[in-house]
Amino acid sequence: DGGITQSPKYLFRKEGQNVTLSCEQNLNHDAMYWYRQDPGQGLRLIYYSQIVNDFQKGDIAEGYSVSREKKESFPLTVTSAQKNPTAFYLCASSIQITNYGYTFGSGTRLTVV
Amino acid sequence: AQSVTQPDIHITVSEGASLELRCNYSYGATPYLFWYVQSPGQGLQLLLKYFSGDTLVQGIKGFEAEFKRSQSSFNLRKPSVHWSDAAEYFCAVGANQAGTALIFGKGTTLSVSS
Repeated sequence: DGGITQSPKYLFRKEGQNVTLSCEQNLNHDAMYWYRQDPGQGLRLIYYSQIVNDFQKGDIAEGYSVSREKKESFPLTVTSAQKNPTAFYLCASSIQITNYGYTFGSGTRLTVV
Repeated sequence: AQSVTQPDIHITVSEGASLELRCNYSYGATPYLFWYVQSPGQGLQLLLKYFSGDTLVQGIKGFEAEFKRSQSSFNLRKPSVHWSDAAEYFCAVGANQAGTALIFGKGTTLSVSS
């Protein structure tokens, strides 16, 4: 079945470390997105990509980086510059950026220890 | 700037009672509007969407929503709530414009009492 796979489901990071969250889709979607979810804050856009080798910053990109070397993959790196990284991270994709039938992954919960 | 407001943080409804979740948006042009649902620790599932045409849209799981341009609202309704509807609900707005992603509201948590 087609879908989006996020891994790992739970991730623990020590302060000062970089960590990378994986997002893979087999839906043949062009556009992919990363959102951060905090209690009471809804979803806030970190980065998005419309095509391979191209991506744009969202509202809260500071302390994060992404790459889009393959259509299927859009990994998110949480760097040590992100001061408060503990959150639930959601990856999504859509056929095109103007087609909003987003398909979401099941999320990665990142905790700083 | 585009924005979405969900005025109710938490709502409790009795099983079998009707439900209405409110959503107001701010957008310069005709928006694309969406409702998503999220179970705890899971991703989001699309309930319904409005692009154009009939302002009353039907979605999955018996939900419907009505677009009211004059009130900048897109409220979600269900005539009879089931215990399995307990979840968090998000309203979102987008545009038919290259380079824009969906903007989400902060969500409304629905509890269902027996």
